[in-house]
Amino acid sequence: KAGVTQTPRYLIKTRGQQVTLSCSPISGHRSVSWYQQTPGQGLQFLFEYFSETQRNKGNFPGRFSGRQFSNSRSEMNVSTLELGDSALYLCASSRSLAGVTDTQYFGPGTRLTVL
Amino acid sequence: GNSVTQMEGPVTLSEEAFLTINCTYTATGYPSLFWYVQYPGEGLQLLLKATKADDKGSNKGFEATYRKETTSFHLEKGSVQVSDSAVYFCALTAMEYGNKLVFGAGTILRVKS
Repeated sequence: KAGVTQTPRYLIKTRGQQVTLSCSPISGHRSVSWYQQTPGQGLQFLFEYFSETQRNKGNFPGRFSGRQFSNSRSEMNVSTLELGDSALYLCASSRSLAGVTDTQYFGPGTRLTVL
Repeated sequence: GNSVTQMEGPVTLSEEAFLTINCTYTATGYPSLFWYVQYPGEGLQLLLKATKADDKGSNKGFEATYRKETTSFHLEKGSVQVSDSAVYFCALTAMEYGNKLVFGAGTILRVKS
């Protein structure tokens, strides 16, 4: 079974631009979560999508948004990029069975550099 | 709120040495506990997990036991290899917080030959 895939793997943008990152979950997984990894703040939860609805949200400004499509693929968007948005963005998928906490499987990440 | 505390690194060991990476947590309710590993330039890989007290997770020679009385989930391996060099993250999730993973800061492990 194919793992979680993320595209692109690397991105370089300049301040003020916007960016869209894509994530394809493991087949059959309906939940997709996004995390930001930086040397200073570590791994921080951005948001989770399930059945095309945002189910959970972390403490990030409104410039960070996401969506999920009917095939469970997800995208996240960052508008008006700031230098501090430079990070590794990780996507994780899970089956999200009702009533149980579920294991999340991560993709390789997208390395975003903002100049 | 929920939180995870890991021992600071880097941890430097010689090949075949015994490894312990300490992890303690604070959580309401009954969290599930995880260890993830990150190799250079890669995403996170699930190493092992435990979903209830006294459960032992194990994989590739690594083990960790869910200790509710000490709120700990320490990672151990009897004999490390150079290929184990990576960053190790302890994490938890709890049903009342949905699928959100809360991570420790990560511990860098360096194994010398």
